[in-house]
Amino acid sequence: QVQLVQSGAEVKKPGASVKVSCRTSSYTFTSYGITWVRQAPGQGLEWMGWISARTGNTKYAQNFQGRVTMTTDTSTTTGYMELRSLRSDDTAVYYCARVTIFGVVPNWFDPWGQGTLVTVSS
Amino acid sequence: SYVLTQSPSVSVAPGQTARFTCGGDNIESKAVHWYQQKPGQAPVLVVYDDSDRPSRIPERFSGSNSGNTATLTISGVEAGDEADYYCQVWDSSIVVFGGGTKLTVL
Repeated sequence: QVQLVQSGAEVKKPGASVKVSCRTSSYTFTSYGITWVRQAPGQGLEWMGWISARTGNTKYAQNFQGRVTMTTDTSTTTGYMELRSLRSDDTAVYYCARVTIFGVVPNWFDPWGQGTLVTVSS
Repeated sequence: SYVLTQSPSVSVAPGQTARFTCGGDNIESKAVHWYQQKPGQAPVLVVYDDSDRPSRIPERFSGSNSGNTATLTISGVEAGDEADYYCQVWDSSIVVFGGGTKLTVL
């Protein structure tokens, strides 16, 4: 079945960077996109952006512009999300999810990875 | 920016019907997707494109979208349905999530 498996938990100091991976399997990687969504403790879902695995085109949420980079590696069918200049309020669980695309239009997110806890603390 | 408004909580007894609303300006012009998130777990898609269900989701879950309100309905609520439910749309190439509604099964 389709699976997205994320890298393990990270602990970072303020100002550092983190790179989370999302290894996919059992589907045609370049026919879909990858989105990243985070969830701070006790809070709702916050969308960070998405990348088309076919074109490499990205769209980032304004809150993360200039601080986030999303990439894909088609040879390993893996997506990556790098967040720089980390602050304490970046402490959250970060999720990747597969994006269904019709033409060039992104739609729903299914399935999701298991999540990666990133803790930012001095 | 586009805003989706969800009630913070819904409580129903087992076997009853739970309804979750997602309010947005002319939301009927957008495709609404719904996710279920149980404590400590990743979100799961339960309804897409307003009213379609992934094959693994029980028929008890249904959706509709009209005017300024989209609705997710769970018929015959079970204890295992207790979770947070989020609506989601795309607006000008940006994703918007509602704040989520917590379902408590009494």
